[in-house]
Amino acid sequence: EVQLVESGGGLIQPGGSLRLSCTSSGFSVTNTYMNWVRQAPGKGLEWVSVIYADGTVYYADSVKGRFTISRDNSKNTLHLQMNSLRVEDTAVYYCAREGLGDAFDMWGQGTMVTVSS
Amino acid sequence: DIQMTQSPSFVSASVGDRVTLTCRASQGVRTWLAWYQQKPGKAPKLLIYSASTLQTGVPSRFSGSGSGTDFTLTISSLQPEDSATYYCQQVTTFPHTFGQGTKLEIK
Repeated sequence: EVQLVESGGGLIQPGGSLRLSCTSSGFSVTNTYMNWVRQAPGKGLEWVSVIYADGTVYYADSVKGRFTISRDNSKNTLHLQMNSLRVEDTAVYYCAREGLGDAFDMWGQGTMVTVSS
Repeated sequence: DIQMTQSPSFVSASVGDRVTLTCRASQGVRTWLAWYQQKPGKAPKLLIYSASTLQTGVPSRFSGSGSGTDFTLTISSLQPEDSATYYCQQVTTFPHTFGQGTKLEIK
């Protein structure tokens, strides 16, 4: 079955760090554009970051300098390293595959990150 | 950043109705636009890409149109399972911004 499974979320204090993982089965994250999208409680979707097949990365201004997207080709896993976390980073974080038309055609189930003291 | 504005924010309609949702971009995105459906507690699901191409497996009652700055998602005959929030997203320029969503309720 082709799917994405996120992990690594939890409760963290402001200023702390967390690393999210997104493990792919059925396709290679190496050859695909992979994204992170987040959704704060009761709010809409916010694009966070992308990593291209050639390693090029882009970030939303709200996370630039604090978050780092990467992938582990040997484990077919996408990561999001989140540092200097803020209360406003509280959200469900989804990984998503970019497909035809650059649209996100496959999503993980999401992992909740709560930043609170 | 390109701002995506969806209207209405909320719509209530009956089974069998034809429903049209609108998405407007603050600058032209050609046809680099996608539509997603999200149900409570679930991940978004891709419905339409490239403004008008139906994603595989999505019922044909869903259709998309538009280019440039103005786009629509139409559900030709509303079904109970279509109750959800719908988002548009532009994928031409970073950041790949989403609209704020339209919540569709079945009467």
